[in-house]
Amino acid sequence: NAGVTQTPKFRILKIGQSMTLQCTQDMNHNYMYWYRQDPGMGLKLIYYSVGAGITDKGEVPNGYNVSRSTTEDFPLRLELAAPSQTSVYFCASRGAQSGGSSYEQYFGPGTRLTVT
Amino acid sequence: AQKVTQAQTEISVVEKEDVTLDCVYETRDTTYYLFWYKQPPSGELVFLIRRNSFDEQNEISGRYSWNFQKSTSSFNFTITASQVVDSAVYFCALRFNQAGTALIFGKGTTLSVSS
Repeated sequence: NAGVTQTPKFRILKIGQSMTLQCTQDMNHNYMYWYRQDPGMGLKLIYYSVGAGITDKGEVPNGYNVSRSTTEDFPLRLELAAPSQTSVYFCASRGAQSGGSSYEQYFGPGTRLTVT
Repeated sequence: AQKVTQAQTEISVVEKEDVTLDCVYETRDTTYYLFWYKQPPSGELVFLIRRNSFDEQNEISGRYSWNFQKSTSSFNFTITASQVVDSAVYFCALRFNQAGTALIFGKGTTLSVSS
């Protein structure tokens, strides 16, 4: 049981380049999230999804896109990378069923992205 | 406004000291959940505890304890007899009782424990 996996772990992009951050969970969770963590700050929500085919914006969605074609995968797309997108990105998932497992968000290990 | 405030940006203690990390939250919801996460220098987020708004019992887990007080909207975290391995950033977070809602995080408190 791998939990939430993210790839890549590190990436350096040039301004204007595009990339996709991959996120996969094997817990059959309905809810998935993308957060970014800037130095000295807490995590801020970029996008989230309550199920396959359903996504919605969070607090800081500008410059990003997401899709959710399957329950397992929730990729985050950066179309035109900017220095302001230099951050650590965390993917997370949570179950929708009642019971203890529905309360906790499980986080991936993070992707450290630098845009220069 | 829905908000989590961790007023202490950084705390430094010497090993074996007790330390309390403060967390104050704002919400108008009557049902919500509070969390603490630990982020060690390696960067991953480690879940420590969840508390439901309708359960004000304090909790103790080894050297860790949590004090939840709805009257003051606080959910403080105490480490007893701190150790160097406790050095990390600690985040308090809030979530509402609605389908799919995400966590709202405080800015975190960096705890440094020296030997």
